[in-house]
Amino acid sequence: DTAVSQTPKYLVTQMGNDKSIKCEQNLGHDTMYWYKQDSKKFLKIMFSYNNKELIINETVPNRFSPKSPDKAHLNLHINSLELGDSAVYFCASSQDPGGEETQYFGPGTRLLVL
Amino acid sequence: AQSVTQLDSQVPVFEEAPVELRCNYSSSVSVYLFWYVQYPNQGLQLLLKYLSGSTLVKGINGFEAEFNKSQTSFHLRKPSVHISDTAEYFCAVSVNNAGNMLTFGGGTRLMVKP
Repeated sequence: DTAVSQTPKYLVTQMGNDKSIKCEQNLGHDTMYWYKQDSKKFLKIMFSYNNKELIINETVPNRFSPKSPDKAHLNLHINSLELGDSAVYFCASSQDPGGEETQYFGPGTRLLVL
Repeated sequence: AQSVTQLDSQVPVFEEAPVELRCNYSSSVSVYLFWYVQYPNQGLQLLLKYLSGSTLVKGINGFEAEFNKSQTSFHLRKPSVHISDTAEYFCAVSVNNAGNMLTFGGGTRLMVKP
């Protein structure tokens, strides 16, 4: 009964490859997010979707393409992986996009690009 | 734009001692304030949040935080810590517009020693 789940948990790949990370929430929330946590634990938002529509895109390279097939899913596809993409990627969701809303985080996907 | 500064990257403390984790923010508009906790190899979990009203906010696991508008601070406190409180703690702010973009501080690693 995990609220926000991500797959895979670990991802090791070579530079130049294309990979996807999947995220699903069973909380009935309307808004979902992707965050990147670097090696120094710094967290930064990448994207936010509300009702399958993109509402935040924080100057992320266009190699990163989020896709929301429905409100419960927000997947992240990364093309032409680079060494600097190595990080932990967190998916999160909230009831709606209001600033007062609590965000619920998934367990993270640890991406290592070799 | 908003910013968050967590003044201490690491805070070592003995078990059953009190602790304060410091957080200062900068914003030209009113903000909502959050503290999230990240246990090793896990996602983030909300400890508490300040939206309005009483400046003293109580959260889970015995934590509390006080909003100080004049000092633009939102310090987290616990009167007696346990080994299980060892984790990374993140202060974050958001504003009330579409998108619910959380801006995080750099995190404080709380290390509770026996």
